[in-house]
Amino acid sequence: DAGVIQSPRHEVTEMGQEVTLRCKPISGHNSLFWYRQTMMRGLELLIYFNNNVPIDDSGMPEDRFSAKMPNASFSTLKIQPSEPRDSAVYFCASNPGPGDEQFFGPGTRLTVL
Amino acid sequence: AQSVTQLDSHVSVSEGTPVLLRCNYSSSYSPSLFWYVQHPNKGLQLLLKYTSAATLVKGINGFEAEFKKSETSFHLTKPSAHMSDAAEYFCVVSDRPGFQKLVFGTGTRLLVSP
Repeated sequence: DAGVIQSPRHEVTEMGQEVTLRCKPISGHNSLFWYRQTMMRGLELLIYFNNNVPIDDSGMPEDRFSAKMPNASFSTLKIQPSEPRDSAVYFCASNPGPGDEQFFGPGTRLTVL
Repeated sequence: AQSVTQLDSHVSVSEGTPVLLRCNYSSSYSPSLFWYVQHPNKGLQLLLKYTSAATLVKGINGFEAEFKKSETSFHLTKPSAHMSDAAEYFCVVSDRPGFQKLVFGTGTRLLVSP
């Protein structure tokens, strides 16, 4: 299995631009998670989906952030407009379901200038 | 709300000596607890997990952790450090039963010298 796949691995953009991060979960996994990692706040859960349905988005920082999961094999995290304080590493993770280990992707390092 | 406190931001050991990474938790429920490892520029990997079975949990790469309810602790240990153990380690608690929502500690960076 290829594991959780994230793209791009690195993204550099200018303030005000739209950013889209992509994630392909492990085949057969029913839950998908988006995390953000910064030096100041550590690892934070932004949102998670069960069976493509958003369950908890209480960690999404503000309306500039949105996440979708149109099907079981693909999810996006969009930031519009981006700001320098959004610079972070964004991780996607998946698991078969409640109670199972979460498998993390390699992350996307986002830099907003 | 559930939380974890990692007592050391950095731990330095020599290769071949024991490793101890400390973690205390706070939980309203009977908690599920985890240790994850993150190597530089990599994603996170599960080392081990406690889910109310045996209190001494064995994980990968020779790591183990002991759940002590009386001390609300879940310290990570390894008898003999290897250079490849140098990484960031995160203690994690589940936010609720069924542990879909994980709450991460601030991390402990383990440095291993020859």
